[in-house]
Amino acid sequence: KAGVTQTPRYLIKTRGQQVTLSCSPISGHRSVSWYQQTPGQGLQFLFEYFSETQRNKGNFPGRFSGRQFSNSRSEMNVSTLELGDSALYLCASSLAGTDNQPQHFGDGTRLSIL
Amino acid sequence: AQSVTQLGSHVSVSEGALVLLRCNYSSSVPPYLFWYVQYPNQGLQLLLKYTTGATLVKGINGFEAEFKKSETSFHLTKPSAHMSDAAEYFCAAHGSGNTGKLIFGQGTTLQVKP
Repeated sequence: KAGVTQTPRYLIKTRGQQVTLSCSPISGHRSVSWYQQTPGQGLQFLFEYFSETQRNKGNFPGRFSGRQFSNSRSEMNVSTLELGDSALYLCASSLAGTDNQPQHFGDGTRLSIL
Repeated sequence: AQSVTQLGSHVSVSEGALVLLRCNYSSSVPPYLFWYVQYPNQGLQLLLKYTTGATLVKGINGFEAEFKKSETSFHLTKPSAHMSDAAEYFCAAHGSGNTGKLIFGQGTTLQVKP
């Protein structure tokens, strides 16, 4: 069974640009969550999608957005990039995002802002 | 506020020695707890999970953890460290409800000395 796939693995952008990251969950998983990982702030929850609907959102500005498609694949978009957006962005999937279900993570997209 | 605290950002042990990584959670967090491991340039891999039932949970690679409600703790142990155990370890708790949100501790880097 294939794991969670994130593309691309690495991205370099400049301030002011926008970026789209992609995540393909494990087959059959309908919940997709996104996290930002930085040395200073650790792992922080961005948002979660289930059945094409955003079900929960973390404390990030509106520049961070996402969506989910009917096949459960998800994209995350960051507009007007800032230096502080440099981070590893991790996607995780689970069957339905319920409390007792573990999330399975992809290898992440490392975003560098110049 | 819900929180997970890992005591010690860096732990160093000798190969063959006991590994003990500490994790405490706030009592407001539902007792669905997880340990993940992250190797360099990779995503998070699930080591073990506690949802209900037996409080001593066994995971992969010889790791285990014990859920102690009275101490609000979920410490990770391994009887004998191996060089390949060197990585960063994260304790996490699921947020309330079906939110697809994990609350992470700050992480503990495990160094294994030969």
